[in-house]
Amino acid sequence: DIHMTQSPSTLSAYVGDRVTITCRASQSISTWLAWYQQKPGKAPKLLMYKVSSLEDGVPSRFSGSGSGTEFSLTISSLQPDDFATYYCQQYNSYPRTFGQGTKVEIK
Amino acid sequence: QVHLEQSGAQVKKPGSSVKVSCKVSGGTLSSYSFSWVRQAPGHGLEWMGGIVPFIGSTKYAEKFQERFTITTDESTSTVYMELSSLRSEDTAVYYCASDISPDNVFFDYWGQGTLVTVSS
Repeated sequence: DIHMTQSPSTLSAYVGDRVTITCRASQSISTWLAWYQQKPGKAPKLLMYKVSSLEDGVPSRFSGSGSGTEFSLTISSLQPDDFATYYCQQYNSYPRTFGQGTKVEIK
Repeated sequence: QVHLEQSGAQVKKPGSSVKVSCKVSGGTLSSYSFSWVRQAPGHGLEWMGGIVPFIGSTKYAEKFQERFTITTDESTSTVYMELSSLRSEDTAVYYCASDISPDNVFFDYWGQGTLVTVSS
């Protein structure tokens, strides 16, 4: 199985900050990576796929980059609605696997 | 757009089985692939398995292979998951999720989740 590791596990930031979350794969997954946002008590929401393709309706302050084993999700200017937990997910091979999550908290 | 409506919360005894349904509306089963993803309390997301109704193909994570089954009912546009030999570690919210591709790659629509509690 491909193991996905996110860092940091928790991130404290102010509204307006630029924040970056890193996701590392245990082996190359090319660009077969998706990112999700999850708020407490809610189902995850797809943010982007194929590293950097934004899902419809996702604000342009979200961006993604990387290939192979190193990836990142960046929020250019953190908004109140962005405080949530973020997960990366690889779809290079089965089983599909997720990172352990990064919780973005208000500082 | 697709809407996924899951069945309600259940409490089960260790060793028993649970079956959760996911009713699909706004699209046909054959147009999508579907996966089940679970989340234990305070933990992350875990992909359990997926089905491609159009070709009747299923794939399961190895750790669930022996006791997990995904089925569909075309007549009611419903996807089911059944997990047997339940143990306390199976207490989790179970989500169904859909993908427009025929290969369960990433998941753009999700059900609301079903809490399954395993307790004696």
